[in-house]
Amino acid sequence: AQSVAQPEDQVNVAEGNPLTVKCTYSVSGNPYLFWYVQYPNRGLQFLLKYITGDNLVKGSYGFEAEFNKSQTSFHLKKPSALVSDSALYFCAVRDEGSAGRRALTFGSGTRLQVQP
Amino acid sequence: KAGVTQTPRYLIKTRGQQVTLSCSPISGHRSVSWYQQTPGQGLQFLFEYFSETQRNKGNFPGRFSGRQFSNSRSEMNVSTLELGDSALYLCASSLELAGVIWPTDTQYFGPGTRLTVL
Repeated sequence: AQSVAQPEDQVNVAEGNPLTVKCTYSVSGNPYLFWYVQYPNRGLQFLLKYITGDNLVKGSYGFEAEFNKSQTSFHLKKPSALVSDSALYFCAVRDEGSAGRRALTFGSGTRLQVQP
Repeated sequence: KAGVTQTPRYLIKTRGQQVTLSCSPISGHRSVSWYQQTPGQGLQFLFEYFSETQRNKGNFPGRFSGRQFSNSRSEMNVSTLELGDSALYLCASSLELAGVIWPTDTQYFGPGTRLTVL
């Protein structure tokens, strides 16, 4: 069965500093990984995804994520945080080996707080 | 292109009642999935529809049901509401182009329907 872990409930960072939101995954086949962001009273907004190829994936709003197969990780990064980046971030995975179940499996979410 | 829309945005019901939530996918998208989001359980998959057929179902009781129409719009129904059904219900649509490997398809989410059961 596929699973995702986000080990930090909250990440605090000062505006202008780099940020990292951690994600590790477990799948039986090839992983397909996604990051979403949720602002208060809103749905999930797609940021980026890893399919195959380059381990560094670039996405929306200056975010990028680094895929590491040996560490089964897919950490979200941004070189310079903005106060407006403060939100709830979710990592999600699909397992190619689970063809009968196309749903995304989500992590528990990490709240990012960017201080001015 | 308009995003995924969900109606209503907010609902207040009492225990024992039933509720129907509606989702209109992005134009051209053929797959619709539903998720329940609660503070305790996080994001949990309910079911997925494609071409008016339920293709996958999560671990929810039979009180939760859904359907998809020929225009890809989808509804979900919860009967005999319980206090624990209070949640944000999210709908997501994906394109599912022929020839595209399914795990790579991106799901785009609507704003959700906030259901409160009193």
